[in-house]
Amino acid sequence: EPEVTQTPSHQVTQMGQEVILRCVPISNHLYFYWYRQILGQKVEFLVSFYNNEISEKSEIFDDQFSVERPDGSNFTLKIRSTKLEDSAMYFCASSLGLTFFGPGTRLTVL
Amino acid sequence: AQSVTQLGSHVSVSEGALVLLRCNYSSSVPPYLFWYVQYPNQGLQLLLKYTSAATLVKGINGFEAEFKKSETSFHLTKPSAHMSDAAEYFCAVIPNAGGTSYGKLTFGQGTILTVHP
Repeated sequence: EPEVTQTPSHQVTQMGQEVILRCVPISNHLYFYWYRQILGQKVEFLVSFYNNEISEKSEIFDDQFSVERPDGSNFTLKIRSTKLEDSAMYFCASSLGLTFFGPGTRLTVL
Repeated sequence: AQSVTQLGSHVSVSEGALVLLRCNYSSSVPPYLFWYVQYPNQGLQLLLKYTSAATLVKGINGFEAEFKKSETSFHLTKPSAHMSDAAEYFCAVIPNAGGTSYGKLTFGQGTILTVHP
């Protein structure tokens, strides 16, 4: 069964460092998303991506965040200068009608 | 703006008992509604969806949910809880815009289900 995959599963970084979270969406899907879940809080939408451009983004998705689909399979989320409050579980998702989520990357900013 | 409210952040049931997890939405137009489950240290798995077809929706693992427009609700039920059902459950919505069920999901705050032997 096709699935969304994410790497790494855990990422620990120092405050101010750049991180790149990687995702491989389901191959025939056209819509790609990043969500995050801060510990103990609800899952929050960050950004959606369609036709090689951002289609919608939340207030959380400020200038320190960027997304890219560098080739036909990967979808990345870059956080340029991490802050303590960026510590969260980051979920990639893809959709062609139903949205399927990856297992998440747990980001810890020290 | 769409919003989703899940009543009860924690629900505890005995094995074999009825599971009822509550979800209410706020929208003038009934949205598309989803239930996702998150097992410990795992991602979000789709349990079931409502997309304007049958109001009683059956999902995986014996779960079902009933859409009630008059109550703006989409409660999740399972007749008999199993220990393996222990997880966190999220209700989510997508605005019903033009018949497409993809788009930004808005999640409720989640309900942690505990199942006692």
